[in-house]
Amino acid sequence: AQSVTQLDSHVSVSEGTPVLLRCNYSSSYSPSLFWYVQHPNKGLQLLLKYTSAATLVKGINGFEAEFKKSETSFHLTKPSAHMSDAAEYFCTGSSASKIIFGSGTRLSIRP
Amino acid sequence: DAGVIQSPRHEVTEMGQEVTLRCKPISGHNSLFWYRQTMMRGLELLIYFNNNVPIDDSGMPEDRFSAKMPNASFSTLKIQPSEPRDSAVYFCASSLTAVGSGYEQYFGPGTRLTVT
Repeated sequence: AQSVTQLDSHVSVSEGTPVLLRCNYSSSYSPSLFWYVQHPNKGLQLLLKYTSAATLVKGINGFEAEFKKSETSFHLTKPSAHMSDAAEYFCTGSSASKIIFGSGTRLSIRP
Repeated sequence: DAGVIQSPRHEVTEMGQEVTLRCKPISGHNSLFWYRQTMMRGLELLIYFNNNVPIDDSGMPEDRFSAKMPNASFSTLKIQPSEPRDSAVYFCASSLTAVGSGYEQYFGPGTRLTVT
């Protein structure tokens, strides 16, 4: 069975400090993995995706994620948080004909 | 491209009324998705179409919900009769090709439905 688990429902960091949003997956197949961001009252927007090419994936707004097969993880990171990064973040996996969204992580940024 | 277009953006209706939400996917995309988002249940996939054919409708809550895709450029999600617990934001998304191919989804701005 496939699953995507976001380990934290809420993360709070200070502006200028690193961001780490954790995502674990399980899949019988090599999955495609995505991170989406949702700002308040907006639709979801793609941050980055992994599709079995480079394991370190760079996305928009300075975010990146590393696919670690041994740990079944696809954590999202950013070296320095900005106030505009405050949003909900979703990790998603797809393989075969199934797509699964994680439950989301709300990122808050303290001034 | 204008992106995924949803209408209406806001809908307020009374319990028992029929509600129809509309979606126009990005031109050239052959997969379309309907989602529902609430505080309690988060983001839920309701139904997924590929080449206008429903592939996975396991997320459709009950018989009151129905979705159609009569052609590649238009889809509807209908709720009949509506109930207060249907209040949510409904998102439509489209993708270049089928799930599992590695292509991302493009989301519309959503329709905020309130059933009183």
